[in-house]
Amino acid sequence: ETGVTQTPRHLVMGMTNKKSLKCEQHLGHNAMYWYKQSAKKPLELMFVYNFKEQTENNSVPSRFSPECPNSSHLFLHLHTLQPEDSALYLCASSQENRQGVYGYTFGSGTRLTVV
Amino acid sequence: LAKTTQPISMDSYEGQEVNITCSHNNIATNDYITWYQQFPSQGPRFIIQGYKTKVTNEVASLFIPADRKSSTLSLPRVSLSDTAVYYCLVGDPAAGNKLTFGGGTRVLVKP
Repeated sequence: ETGVTQTPRHLVMGMTNKKSLKCEQHLGHNAMYWYKQSAKKPLELMFVYNFKEQTENNSVPSRFSPECPNSSHLFLHLHTLQPEDSALYLCASSQENRQGVYGYTFGSGTRLTVV
Repeated sequence: LAKTTQPISMDSYEGQEVNITCSHNNIATNDYITWYQQFPSQGPRFIIQGYKTKVTNEVASLFIPADRKSSTLSLPRVSLSDTAVYYCLVGDPAAGNKLTFGGGTRVLVKP
């Protein structure tokens, strides 16, 4: 366990379904992120939350909707997805504005398959 | 954000030392260099971070020349379980830089 927990680990959904991915961090970090990793492609940053406020949305389609109710929890709500949205969705957290050693702590991801 | 360039893949054998060099010609004064390791279907894991000269921990060493335009991750005596993708990133922690991942280096350790 890395301190960042993602559920579910695997998800299969139809294109008309609505589902949510959950991320929880127990590290006291104040920033959380959603990344998408498609097969044989680099990780793509989707959303950034600092102190519960969304500070970045990297041109992500509206069928992906993030929610950050507090600094420990992050959700990604999914609706009317396309098969090309199938990927590994990774959540990460970090302590922003910290001098010196820093880094992201990632969860194990949710493997999403859209059928 | 400084862009990084690293080899796409490397093969090695158990017990050998693996050195992965990353180029970051546009690194800024306040940027740190961070390396991550990723196994299939898992999130990347922080390995090591440095600013200049040499940093060593229980997993790896990081060598950074004086001009900081490149860095080399050294994995001593690799085992099969070190087969993974290794990412080099640069960024300024105080500026809240969002880490941008490149393609990484796929390291395959053979028996």
